[in-house]
Amino acid sequence: QSALTQPASVSGSPGQSITISCTGTSSDVGGYNYVSWYQQHPDKAPKLMIYGVSNRPSGVSNRFSGSKSGNTASLTISGLQAEDEADYYCSSYTSRNTLVFGGGTRVTVL
Amino acid sequence: EVHLLESGGGLVQPGGSLRLSCAASGFTFSTYAMSWVRQAPGKGLEWVSGISGSGTGTYYADSVKGRFTISRDNSKNTLSLQMNSLRAEDTAVYYCAKVSESYQLLTPLKVWGQGTLVTVSS
Repeated sequence: QSALTQPASVSGSPGQSITISCTGTSSDVGGYNYVSWYQQHPDKAPKLMIYGVSNRPSGVSNRFSGSKSGNTASLTISGLQAEDEADYYCSSYTSRNTLVFGGGTRVTVL
Repeated sequence: EVHLLESGGGLVQPGGSLRLSCAASGFTFSTYAMSWVRQAPGKGLEWVSGISGSGTGTYYADSVKGRFTISRDNSKNTLSLQMNSLRAEDTAVYYCAKVSESYQLLTPLKVWGQGTLVTVSS
């Protein structure tokens, strides 16, 4: 099971919007609305930011939004803030009853 | 408050075995599916294994199938991962994680433990 494809890094200035892509196949991202996004700060456990493609858990800022088109899901962070600097991972349920993660994207706030 | 605490990590030689545990508290453990996710040093997240709330359904990544066994003791609110035939590439921080809602199976993973480090080296 190959990892989902994410860009290695994305950067933006404070206040700007950035988008992280997550590309899979019809057996994972494209086949199910079970895409999640996780934020991980250095030496910390991951934190769920988006689930079910576009839903935000309670307590997550509405600056974070998710979407999907075909085999590619996206996470958009609007109004970029210094605290958003972290690694972001997408994940998807797969047709083999497994979970697959993306390789991760390092977000840098310039 | 929901809390997960992993234990059992350490240094083990290639070919050896190790058993990880995850103590759960703050929720009705038996009604939620759980997973193990690992992260090699400086690398990304890798899902390892998942188990249904009742324990009757178990799921594995290809990389560990046949070597790792996930189990749970709902009477003790404990999740376990038995790891055999360990390889250098199994070196990672291992997290246990809980799904968000009781009807979900493998995703999304809402609550995570702090992780336990497994090092496979001679």
